[in-house]
Amino acid sequence: NAGVTQTPKFRILKIGQSMTLQCTQDMNHNYMYWYRQDPGMGLKLIYYSVGAGITDKGEVPNGYNVSRSTTEDFPLRLELAAPSQTSVYFCASSYSWEAQYFGPGTRLLVL
Amino acid sequence: AQSVTQLDSQVPVFEEAPVELRCNYSSSVSVYLFWYVQYPNQGLQLLLKYLSGSTLVKGINGFEAEFNKSQTSFHLRKPSVHISDTAEYFCAVSDSGTGGYNKLIFGAGTRLAVHP
Repeated sequence: NAGVTQTPKFRILKIGQSMTLQCTQDMNHNYMYWYRQDPGMGLKLIYYSVGAGITDKGEVPNGYNVSRSTTEDFPLRLELAAPSQTSVYFCASSYSWEAQYFGPGTRLLVL
Repeated sequence: AQSVTQLDSQVPVFEEAPVELRCNYSSSVSVYLFWYVQYPNQGLQLLLKYLSGSTLVKGINGFEAEFNKSQTSFHLRKPSVHISDTAEYFCAVSDSGTGGYNKLIFGAGTRLAVHP
C-alpha cells in the first residue's frame, strides 16, 4: 500500500492564482482530512470528509474548498491565493476517527 | 471545545538520557488522547493512543504515556533516547464537536533535540 499520497510536494504561487492540492489514499478509509501546519501553531483542520459526497468545515476553512467524489480522492482547492495561505498542507485519512494516517505534505509559498 | 497545551516548545537532551514531554488538555466527560511524531520533512506518524482501560499506554520506538484524569495530563516518556528520536512531537485530543463527529485538536508541538 502506498498509504496517503499528496501532490505536488512544493509549489510557489502568485497572489490571486488558484491551484488544487491532490490527495489520494489506497486504504479504503472513509474519513479524510486536510490540515495546515504553521510554525509553532500545530495543525489546524481545514476541511474533513466522512465519506464520498460528504464534506464539512473544520477550524480554518476560509479561502479553501473541497470535494469528495470518490472514497480515494480528497482534493483541496485554493481559489485566490493569499500570502496568509503560505503553509505546509497535510492530508490524512482514517478508518474511524481514532488513528489518522498522514501524507508527506505539500509546501506552499504564496508571493 | 477541547484544547491541548504542550508545556515545552523545545526539549534538549543528551543521548541515552530519559525524557518527558508534557501535555495537558482541557477537561471533558470522556476524552481520547494521542501522541504523534513528525520527523523532518515528513508527515505525522502515530506513536500511541489512549482510548480507555489502562492509564499507562505503550507505543512504538520505546515511548510510553500516562493518562492522568485528575491532572488532565498525558505526558510522553522514554527512559533512554537515541539520536534518531530527534523530531517534533504533537499531543492531540479528540473533540466531538457538532454532529457527534470526533476530530482531533493538536497541540503546538514540542521539538525534541537529542545531542550526542
